[in-house]
Amino acid sequence: AQSVTQLDSHVSVSEGTPVLLRCNYSSSYSPSLFWYVQHPNKGLQLLLKYTSAATLVKGINGFEAEFKKSETSFHLTKPSAHMSDAAEYFCVVSGTTGTASKLTFGTGTRLQVTL
Amino acid sequence: NAGVMQNPRHLVRRRGQEARLRCSPMKGHSHVYWYRQLPEEGLKFMVYLQKENIIDESGMPKERFSAEFPKEGPSILRIQQVVRGDSAAYFCASSPLGERPGNTIYFGEGSWLTVV
Repeated sequence: AQSVTQLDSHVSVSEGTPVLLRCNYSSSYSPSLFWYVQHPNKGLQLLLKYTSAATLVKGINGFEAEFKKSETSFHLTKPSAHMSDAAEYFCVVSGTTGTASKLTFGTGTRLQVTL
Repeated sequence: NAGVMQNPRHLVRRRGQEARLRCSPMKGHSHVYWYRQLPEEGLKFMVYLQKENIIDESGMPKERFSAEFPKEGPSILRIQQVVRGDSAAYFCASSPLGERPGNTIYFGEGSWLTVV
């Protein structure tokens, strides 16, 4: 079985300051991990994904995430927040047995960006 | 190349009515997934289909819910005799490749069902 824990349900940062959204995973196998972003009443957009290549993954809009196997973490970071980054962020793990592409979502972290 | 297309985007149904949600995958994609997002929650897997086949329906409620992906036309998620608890956003996703870990899955913009 696999699971994802997003440690913060809400994160608030000031514009121009760094963003850190935390995610821990549990998987019996080498996982594939993703971060998706969802703006209000919109679908999900893939920010980045890790599939056992480089442990530091760069995504769109300046986001990146580092896979740390020893800590079972896949935290999302951005050096400088922008107002347009305000959204819901989901950490996601992909299965390696059964339906391999089946995604297990975390409960989400709502990012608020203030002036 | 149009993205994953879902319709309707918003649907209101009275309790006991039927809801039909449609999904056209991206061009060239033959794998379709349906997910449900309840208010204030993450997405939960419902069903995975390929053309004319249900591959994994482990996330589908046992009653009232069904899904299909016919040889021609969109995938349909059907909810019979809707109840208030069915109110949610239903997301369709598609992928181009064979079933493998790490597949990039592309999501539609969702269909918001409200049961009154």
